[in-house]
Amino acid sequence: AQKITQTQPGMFVQEKEAVTLDCTYDTSDQSYGLFWYKQPSSGEMIFLIYQGSYDEQNATEGRYSLNFQKARKSANLVISASQLGDSAMYFCAMREGEAAGNKLTFGGGTRVLVKP
Amino acid sequence: NAGVMQNPRHLVRRRGQEARLRCSPMKGHSHVYWYRQLPEEGLKFMVYLQKENIIDESGMPKERFSAEFPKEGPSILRIQQVVRGDSAAYFCASSPGGVLHEQFFGPGTRLTVL
Repeated sequence: AQKITQTQPGMFVQEKEAVTLDCTYDTSDQSYGLFWYKQPSSGEMIFLIYQGSYDEQNATEGRYSLNFQKARKSANLVISASQLGDSAMYFCAMREGEAAGNKLTFGGGTRVLVKP
Repeated sequence: NAGVMQNPRHLVRRRGQEARLRCSPMKGHSHVYWYRQLPEEGLKFMVYLQKENIIDESGMPKERFSAEFPKEGPSILRIQQVVRGDSAAYFCASSPGGVLHEQFFGPGTRLTVL
């Protein structure tokens, strides 16, 4: 079974509008972390936002917020006021408990294209 | 403080040759992770190393691939007798500690096997 699922292979969004990128995960651990990374066409991986499984509040970082619904095992990324520079691939990732080591498991990604 | 450095950024090899990818972690980081990204896919974990030790190599192919992180110098991912299917982007990440620490990614090495 997939541990991280991103069901949207690609999305168009109008500049200045908000966009939500879906991410569902599968783990039996109580302690885990969820990450979102941006990968522009230049290829580097840019860390955006982190949510710990015990965090009660949804994480926010500037225009990025994470809609964490623990019971549904979802960790959707919301980008507000989209900009042309937001066009990129976006990856959701999970780090499970200590027994699983510190490795990150990534989803397949969602390609976002912001239209002017 | 320089970030994670990887070199070369681009590497072209012919089938059967060896590929050596280098990763210098951020200053003060003693934990290194290697990931592989095939075209149009997400990153997949390969190996997790601390200085002079392999902690988790559950994602490494059983043959032709090896990794090290010596006491001095960068971490090396070595691929022997490369095949076309090895063409991918290889990312290195480092962290200062174990489970609770964020991983910082390098820019990646893009390997092309002709």
